[in-house]
Amino acid sequence: NAGVMQNPRHLVRRRGQEARLRCSPMKGHSHVYWYRQLPEEGLKFMVYLQKENIIDESGMPKERFSAEFPKEGPSILRIQQVVRGDSAAYFCASSPRGQGVNTGELFFGEGSRLTVL
Amino acid sequence: SQELEQSPQSLIVQEGKNLTINCTSSKTLYGLYWYKQKYGEGLIFLMMLQKGGEEKSHEKITAKLDEKKQQSSLHITASQPSHAGIYLCGADRNQFYFGTGTSLTVIP
Repeated sequence: NAGVMQNPRHLVRRRGQEARLRCSPMKGHSHVYWYRQLPEEGLKFMVYLQKENIIDESGMPKERFSAEFPKEGPSILRIQQVVRGDSAAYFCASSPRGQGVNTGELFFGEGSRLTVL
Repeated sequence: SQELEQSPQSLIVQEGKNLTINCTSSKTLYGLYWYKQKYGEGLIFLMMLQKGGEEKSHEKITAKLDEKKQQSSLHITASQPSHAGIYLCGADRNQFYFGTGTSLTVIP
């Protein structure tokens, strides 16, 4: 039973390029969460999605960042026109229940580390 | 804002020593979760506490949630180098969010 799979594990981009990070949740999980971890900082919530719906994107920067979780395939976090400040580890998590009260355990992937040159 | 304050920020202990990490919220929590993160890796779930006064143990790690459900402590007995990493408390209250983390170093 595979866990949460994220790829790529490491991604290097030059300023202005696009970064696409993929996350396949655990089997049977329809709730996906994206978090960003900057060096020396904690884990910051970005977005919570269910299949085909963005439920809570209050942690997403208003520009250049977008996320989707299509009916088929992995969830994608997309960063357009990357800047150096986007360099961070991006973690995906999934759960069988949605966020709110009594979410239950989140299962995390190994993260995707984005470096912007 | 939804915040979890963790203390200390970092901790260096000699192998074999006991230690405690604290997590405090200004609001009542519905659930309090403890995770561990090793450098360069993802988060590993340790324990979940839901009831006021609840206490859970796994191997040498014990976590408690106070009666008011606003403070939790994680206690490690007889620490080992394998305990080193970043410990994060998390909570769900409209969003699933995390504390700032406590970095633990265990010196052999």
